[in-house]
Amino acid sequence: DAEITQSPRHKITETGRQVTLACHQTWNHNNMFWYRQDLGHGLRLIHYSYGVQDTNKGEVSDGYSVSRSNTEDLPLTLESAASSQTSVYFCASSAQGGQPQHFGDGTRLSIL
Amino acid sequence: SQQGEEDPQALSIQEGENATMNCSYKTSINNLQWYRQNSGRGLVHLILIRSNEREKHSGRLRVTLDTSKKSSSLLITASRAADTASYFCATDGDGSGGSNYKLTFGKGTLLTVNP
Repeated sequence: DAEITQSPRHKITETGRQVTLACHQTWNHNNMFWYRQDLGHGLRLIHYSYGVQDTNKGEVSDGYSVSRSNTEDLPLTLESAASSQTSVYFCASSAQGGQPQHFGDGTRLSIL
Repeated sequence: SQQGEEDPQALSIQEGENATMNCSYKTSINNLQWYRQNSGRGLVHLILIRSNEREKHSGRLRVTLDTSKKSSSLLITASRAADTASYFCATDGDGSGGSNYKLTFGKGTLLTVNP
């Protein structure tokens, strides 16, 4: 069965470190999305991609970057981790923009 | 910015009762979707309703859409303990009825179904 997997599931790091969260999907979807989920804010879009070599900024993109070198993967990088980036991060994919998204089970990131 | 806002924020009912959650949004949409999130897991798509549809059913789920009031409701009938989860609405729309090619999520309703 097709799936979308995120790794690691949990990570603890220190402020100032570079952190990369992995997202891999086997749906062969062109569209991939990164969200963060915080109490009181729901899901907020960080970055998204509509295909290889395409990346776009979302609502809360400052301090984050993504790159899309193939269809299956969209890694999310925190260039210099800050405590405000402690959150649960979700990756999702969809066949077409605006259509139902498939979500991974998230990465819980703690920055101390 | 949040497009969809769910109401209530939390809902507690007994098994067998019906649960109704509401979602309001601000600008014209292409479609509206409902998702479920179990604790510690990712969101799971439940149902999509297009802007030209008024009602849609899927098993024990019934979704209505009122574009004049910019609101939607999700009804879960004969609830079970396994329905305990957070429920989110998400909208796709560019403000003029077309697709924005991405979704904007609300903050969710936490539903607790007591056995």
